[in-house]
Amino acid sequence: NAGVMQNPRHLVRRRGQEARLRCSPMKGHSHVYWYRQLPEEGLKFMVYLQKENIIDESGMPKERFSAEFPKEGPSILRIQQVVRGDSAAYFCASSPQTGGSGANVLTFGAGSRLTVL
Amino acid sequence: GQQVMQIPQYQHVQEGEDFTTYCNSSTTLSNIQWYKQRPGGHPVFLIQLVKSGEVKKQKRLTFQFGEAKKNSSLHITATQTTDVGTYFCAGQAAGNKLTFGGGTRVLVKP
Repeated sequence: NAGVMQNPRHLVRRRGQEARLRCSPMKGHSHVYWYRQLPEEGLKFMVYLQKENIIDESGMPKERFSAEFPKEGPSILRIQQVVRGDSAAYFCASSPQTGGSGANVLTFGAGSRLTVL
Repeated sequence: GQQVMQIPQYQHVQEGEDFTTYCNSSTTLSNIQWYKQRPGGHPVFLIQLVKSGEVKKQKRLTFQFGEAKKNSSLHITATQTTDVGTYFCAGQAAGNKLTFGGGTRVLVKP
């Protein structure tokens, strides 16, 4: 049973280019979360999606960042016109359910480490 | 919005000693979870606490959820080099997303 799959594991972009990060949730999981982590810092929530729906994007920067989770295929976090401050590890996590007490345990992928030159 | 704070940010421990890391939420939680991230790795789920005052143990790790469901602690006894990593708590208020604390980075001196 494959876990949460993220690719690419490492991505190098020059300023102004686009970065696309992909995440396939665990089998049977229908909820996907994206978190950003800077070196020596915590996990900052970005967005929570279900199939074809963005449920909570309160952590997403207003510009240049977008996320989707189509009916078919992986979830994609897209960063347009990258800047050096976008350099970070981006973790995807999935869960089988959400809401209420006792739910919402996350399984994380290995992360995608973006470096902007 | 909901905030989750962890102290200390760094914990230097002599191998064999005990230590405790603390987690405090600005709001009452429906549950709290703990994750461990090894250096260069990704967060891995350790445990979930749901009930007020709940205490759970995993070998040398003891997790506690406060009576008011706003704080939690992780106590590790007889620290080993395999305990190196960052320990995150994550709190969930009813119906909301998980909010992670800043983590406690544990370094073990042999």
